[in-house]
Amino acid sequence: DTAVSQTPKYLVTQMGNDKSIKCEQNLGHDTMYWYKQDSKKFLKIMFSYNNKELIINETVPNRFSPKSPDKAHLNLHINSLELGDSAVYFCASSGRPHNEQFFGPGTRLTVL
Amino acid sequence: QKEVEQNSGPLSVPEGAIASLNCTYSDRGSQSFFWYRQYSGKSPELIMSIYSNGDKEDGRFTAQLNKASQYVSLLIRDSQPSDSATYLCAVNPDGANNLFFGTGTRLTVIP
Repeated sequence: DTAVSQTPKYLVTQMGNDKSIKCEQNLGHDTMYWYKQDSKKFLKIMFSYNNKELIINETVPNRFSPKSPDKAHLNLHINSLELGDSAVYFCASSGRPHNEQFFGPGTRLTVL
Repeated sequence: QKEVEQNSGPLSVPEGAIASLNCTYSDRGSQSFFWYRQYSGKSPELIMSIYSNGDKEDGRFTAQLNKASQYVSLLIRDSQPSDSATYLCAVNPDGANNLFFGTGTRLTVIP
């Protein structure tokens, strides 16, 4: 009965590789998000989708491409991974009217 | 100017004391305010939400909101070692689809 789930939980890969992280929510929310949390623990918004449409796209390298096949899923594909991409990536979803967000367990990405 | 500001701490309190966490925000039209708790290696967990001026109590937690001063706080009464975590303040600006998060305050409760 997990509300927001992400796979994989850990991802270790070499520089230059392409990888994907998947996210699913069963809360019936319309809006989903990707956040990056670096070693300093600051939570930075990357993307937001509302009903499969991109509504927030912060200054993120275009090597990062989100895809939302339906409003319950938001995946993140990363091309040509770099050392600086190492971080924890959190997926979240929210509903109206107050926009409280619920987070997935996170994916710890390590680029070697 | 940062949208949401918190004292990064660390804040240390003895067990049984009251921990007071503070947050200020810049968007005067903000309507929804949240406190998240994040244990080391875990994801942020929503623990309190507040939408109108005044206090809101839930168990040992009290959220306080003052929109005129653009200030929101979290009080933790009878602090326990299990409360040791980073606490994130988040604000939903008026009309926005996302939240603005502060950088978090790390709280340590000393047994």
